[in-house]
Amino acid sequence: AQSVAQPEDQVNVAEGNPLTVKCTYSVSGNPYLFWYVQYPNRGLQFLLKYITGDNLVKGSYGFEAEFNKSQTSFHLKKPSALVSDSALYFCAVREVIASGTYKYIFGTGTRLKVLA
Amino acid sequence: DGGITQSPKYLFRKEGQNVTLSCEQNLNHDAMYWYRQDPGQGLRLIYYSQIVNDFQKGDIAEGYSVSREKKESFPLTVTSAQKNPTAFYLCASSFSGNRNEQYFGPGTRLTVT
Repeated sequence: AQSVAQPEDQVNVAEGNPLTVKCTYSVSGNPYLFWYVQYPNRGLQFLLKYITGDNLVKGSYGFEAEFNKSQTSFHLKKPSALVSDSALYFCAVREVIASGTYKYIFGTGTRLKVLA
Repeated sequence: DGGITQSPKYLFRKEGQNVTLSCEQNLNHDAMYWYRQDPGQGLRLIYYSQIVNDFQKGDIAEGYSVSREKKESFPLTVTSAQKNPTAFYLCASSFSGNRNEQYFGPGTRLTVT
């Protein structure tokens, strides 16, 4: 079965500093990986995805993620954190159930707190 | 204004009552999903549907039921058989195909007392 792990429940970073939110995965076959962000009492918003191609994927709001096959990781990064980036971040992987049928497995989430 | 809507935002029910949560999308997405979110547990899949009139159980389907009579709609019923129904419920949709991200609704917070 496919799975993702987010090893940190919370990450604190000072405003203006680079941030990293970690995600590791376990899949059979090619991994299709996603990052989402959730603000309080809201639904999730898509940030970026890795399907194939360049290992560095750029997404919304200045976020990017680095796919590393040898380390089975897909860490979310941003060069300079903003207070408004404070939110809950989820990593997800697609799982094939049958031909044409997919579901998505989510990590437990990492709360990012950017300090002014 | 395209998107995925859930109603109501907050819902209160007495124990033993069934309750139905609404999910509607006008994105022309084929697939729809229901998740439950509890603190510290991330999102857990309840039911999903790839096409109209077909749906599959997710990881925690017991005590829940769904229907998919229209492409745009995927209502979730929380039955009295669900032992711990108080949670934040999220609906999502996506295009078919394995490369597509999900779009999420704003969620419904259900409180059962």
